[in-house]
Parts: sequence; C-alpha cells; structure tokens
Amino acid sequence: EDKVVQSPLSLVVHEGDTVTLNCSYEVTNFRSLLWYKQEKKAPTFLFMLTSSGIEKKSGRLSSILDKKELFSILNITATQTGDSAIYLCAVVAGVSNFGNEKLTFGTGTRLTIIP
Amino acid sequence: DAGVIQSPRHEVTEMGQEVTLRCKPISGHNSLFWYRQTMMRGLELLIYFNNNVPIDDSGMPEDRFSAKMPNASFSTLKIQPSEPRDSAVYFCASSFTAGLISYEQYFGPGTRLTVT
Repeated sequence: EDKVVQSPLSLVVHEGDTVTLNCSYEVTNFRSLLWYKQEKKAPTFLFMLTSSGIEKKSGRLSSILDKKELFSILNITATQTGDSAIYLCAVVAGVSNFGNEKLTFGTGTRLTIIP
Repeated sequence: DAGVIQSPRHEVTEMGQEVTLRCKPISGHNSLFWYRQTMMRGLELLIYFNNNVPIDDSGMPEDRFSAKMPNASFSTLKIQPSEPRDSAVYFCASSFTAGLISYEQYFGPGTRLTVT
C-alpha cells in the first residue's frame, strides 16, 4: 500500500521565521509529488515535482524532491500570517498507463504563524 | 471563470437517506475528481473521470457510493443509504490533461455533509 507521511503534524512559528515542511513516501512506480496549501476551504495547488534536485520556486515558497531518499521538502522564508494553513503533500504513482495511476495524500502539516 | 462549483455547500441528513452531491467543473477541463476529507483519514481520492468516463473508482468506499458524469459540465456523487461515518467534507476538483493525468487540479469549495 502506498504511504505518504508528513512531518511535523503541526508547527507554530513567529512571523518572519523560515520553516521547512517534510514529506516522505513509500510508493510503487513513483510518478510525481505535489504540494497543496489548504486554508479555510479547498486546497490550492503549489508545486508539482518529478525530477530530483531541481528546485521549484514561487515567491517565498520553494520545494525540492529527492527521489533517492524518497522525500520532499517545502520551504517558506520570511513567513507571514497569511501563510497559516494546512500544507498537503500528495504522490502520484503507478505504471505509465492511463488509468493505472494512484494519488495518495499525506495527512498534512498544520502551520500557524504568530504575528 | 467561476471556478469549480459544488452544491449544496452544507447538507445535514438522517441516516438511511439518499444524498446527492453536485459538481460543475471549470469549462474546458476534461478531468474531474471527487475527494473526501476527514480529520481521521485526511484527503482521499474517491474516483476520477476523464472525458466523462470513470477511470479509477478504487477509492470509492463501498457500494453505497456511486458517481456519474453524464456530460462535460456536470457530475454527481450519490450516497445511498447514508451512514453517520459518511460525514465529511466532499471536494470536487477539475483539471485539463492532454494524454496522461495532470494533477494541477482546481478544487471546488466543498460540501460539508453531516449524517445524523
């Protein structure tokens, strides 16, 4: 069974701090890893990672994938109160045939930024 | 574009009743996903469609759950009969894919279902 584990489960930091969120996985036929941000309502897409060592960046957020060690990190620098959310990691796995892919989400990291 | 539209936003029903959740994907998207989110189990993919055809329904918990996509602009998720353990937030998401699945999905606001 595919597994996606996120850590920490919860994190509270002060505004301006830098945080690193972790996502490790055990899947068969890894295809890609996705990061989502979920505030009060629906998740919003952040990044999709398929290759090791290539950093994806969007403003203060960045993410990188290590396919050898089977994990990804999401970094947020100079955090702001608007970064408070649940950050979800998901892994797409399966053979490269349409319809045989599986999407497994981690349980998320709840990040709280204190002003 | 209005984004993914779901209705109702909240549903409270009694055990044993039939529940129908509705979703309108973003115009032009050809993949549609139904998810369920609970505190205990997190976000789970139930089923997804591509070009209105169900591709993978292995996440559907049991026969009480069924989903349809009669056309490119509408999908339903039905629970019959409903049980208290079905209480959750149900999300619909859509994306465009050319070939293999694209997981850059756009989520709807969700339907919060409470079964008493």
